[in-house]
Amino acid sequence: GIQVEQSPPDLILQEGANSTLRCNFSDSVNNLQWFHQNPWGQLINLFYIPSGTKQNGRLSATTVATERYSLLYISSSQTTDSGVYFCAVDPQGAQKLVFGQGTRLTINP
Amino acid sequence: NAGVTQTPKFQVLKTGQSMTLQCAQDMNHEYMSWYRQDPGMGLRLIHYSVGAGITDQGEVPNGYNVSRSTTEDFPLRLLSAAPSQTSVYFCASSPLAGASYNEQFFGPGTRLTVL
Repeated sequence: GIQVEQSPPDLILQEGANSTLRCNFSDSVNNLQWFHQNPWGQLINLFYIPSGTKQNGRLSATTVATERYSLLYISSSQTTDSGVYFCAVDPQGAQKLVFGQGTRLTINP
Repeated sequence: NAGVTQTPKFQVLKTGQSMTLQCAQDMNHEYMSWYRQDPGMGLRLIHYSVGAGITDQGEVPNGYNVSRSTTEDFPLRLLSAAPSQTSVYFCASSPLAGASYNEQFFGPGTRLTVL
């Protein structure tokens, strides 16, 4: 089956810093989503981005489908950005999301 | 819209007990699914449904049953709970057409402990 690898596994930054999270996947995908799991366990949709670039406030994402990777950018980090960021892909449009292991982001004040 | 709702939020079972985790959505989404999340891991698909009366297995279906009698509801049944089923369970839904085609929306989760 498809493999989804996220890097780095852990990232610790000071408030105000910028960060880039990466998601590599091993096969073609019809869907790619980024989620933020907050410290209370809630999964929050960030981006639905099978290809191209999207921006939402301080967050943006780029997926290069032909090279099988996606990047999530967080600018001017805030402590509320802390949590685990998951990339999930749906190979072949089967609505079966396969999740990466996540990147745990800690933003210190 | 309430989105995707799940009940209960927390549950403790003894080995061998049965229970049903409830999931409902009010977005008229055709697709619904159940995932489990174990500590330090991403989510894994248990079962899914593309419409009322249609269900199929995901990556880790053993020990779980589902049914889909209405578009809105997709309950997950544990027939005989085992400690290995201790996990956080998430329900998700997505439309199969339109601008948000295939974008999945998750409920708040149910934290289950089996003793």
